[in-house]
Amino acid sequence: DAGITQSPRYKITETGRQVTLMCHQTWSHSYMFWYRQDLGHGLRLIYYSAAADITDKGEVPDGYVVSRSKTENFPLTLESATRSQTSVYFCASRRALNGGWAQYFGPGTRLTVL
Amino acid sequence: DQQVKQNSPSLSVQEGRISILNCDYTNSMFDYFLWYKKYPAEGPTFLISISSIKDKNEDGRFTVFLNKSAKHLSLHIVPSQPGDSAVYFCAAREGRNSGYALNFGKGTSLLVTP
Repeated sequence: DAGITQSPRYKITETGRQVTLMCHQTWSHSYMFWYRQDLGHGLRLIYYSAAADITDKGEVPDGYVVSRSKTENFPLTLESATRSQTSVYFCASRRALNGGWAQYFGPGTRLTVL
Repeated sequence: DQQVKQNSPSLSVQEGRISILNCDYTNSMFDYFLWYKKYPAEGPTFLISISSIKDKNEDGRFTVFLNKSAKHLSLHIVPSQPGDSAVYFCAAREGRNSGYALNFGKGTSLLVTP
């Protein structure tokens, strides 16, 4: 049961560069999510996807682009990285439980923009 | 505006005692609540959840209580163990319109001392 994997785990880039963070899940869950975690903010939703080719904005979408051509992959692209996008990024998918459900998270990507 | 609030940034408890982590929310449309545990350099791990139609849910040493009238939930860990030392996030589901995304609190860092 591999779950959710994210790559790279660590990335350093420069202002203005394009960066893509990868997310892959092995469960075939329909819903997938991207969050960022910053000190003093907890986790904030960037984008989510209900299924392949269906995506929608979350709380903090500016500066990010997503795509979902296959159910198992949900990449997040920073088109022109800025210092304010330095953060830890978590991908998640929604999984049914007995009588409920939960989001399951990948290990995260720590991104530093210089 | 923060709709899910964890007002205690940190908590220290002795091993074997009860840990009580608190969470308040402001949005009466939240209908499902979850607790996550996070170790450094890892993604959040699902712990326990509760639907708004219940007021208590137990899973081993973990119990979540929900007081809808007060818009308050709490996580009880009994007995606390050193391995429980982590950051705990309270989260609430907003509903179908946001793809069932989660609103997170800022987290409470729990330290269980031997």
